[in-house]
Amino acid sequence: EVQLVESGGGLVKPGGSLRLSCAASGFTFSDYSMSWVRQGPGKGLEWVSSINSGSSHIFYADSVKGRFTISRDNAKNSLSLEMNSLRVEDTAVYYCARGYSGSYLSEYWGQGTLVTVSS
Amino acid sequence: QSVLTQSPSASGTPGQRVTISCSGSTSNIGSNFVYWYQQLPGTAPKLLIYRNNQLPSGVPDRFSGSKSGTSASLAISGLRSEDEADYYCATWDNSLSGQAFGGGTKLTVL
Repeated sequence: EVQLVESGGGLVKPGGSLRLSCAASGFTFSDYSMSWVRQGPGKGLEWVSSINSGSSHIFYADSVKGRFTISRDNAKNSLSLEMNSLRVEDTAVYYCARGYSGSYLSEYWGQGTLVTVSS
Repeated sequence: QSVLTQSPSASGTPGQRVTISCSGSTSNIGSNFVYWYQQLPGTAPKLLIYRNNQLPSGVPDRFSGSKSGTSASLAISGLRSEDEADYYCATWDNSLSGQAFGGGTKLTVL
């Protein structure tokens, strides 16, 4: 069974930093692209970042480019999102998601972790 | 402002057939596969349709997807109360070099 478990969310002040992690199990992690997708309170889904299986291709939404860094450790079956210079508008539930075979579009999603940016 | 355009709401009565549309452009829907997700209240999104019209294992065949040009549609036949949820379309956008989501359609079963 595919499992994606996010952690690291919490309350942070504007301008602060946070690191999200996603522990993957139930599949060969190194075979799939991974993504972070967020959902602000009462809002729709917003793509944040994607990384391919070998970390050679990385993509970011314009809204987070230069502030967020996605990375993965295939040996540890883990995905991370380093978030710096956080803004109030970054407040959201952040989902870790596994790409469908050969695609960045997501097949499986974690339960999400809440990030709240507030003074 | 979402890259893909969806109507904010849709509704139907039990047993009816409803269609949710998703409009894009040549750089996204026109060039790439469309995926559809269902999000029940308080839960993570769930894949409903992949590669325009393919059903993942376990998804009832009451759900179907189609694509034509720069638009895509999700159809739900034999509507049931448990279908009440938010539905999102998504695809890759070549101009953005990233994923594009629709704004979501809230489906109400009357």
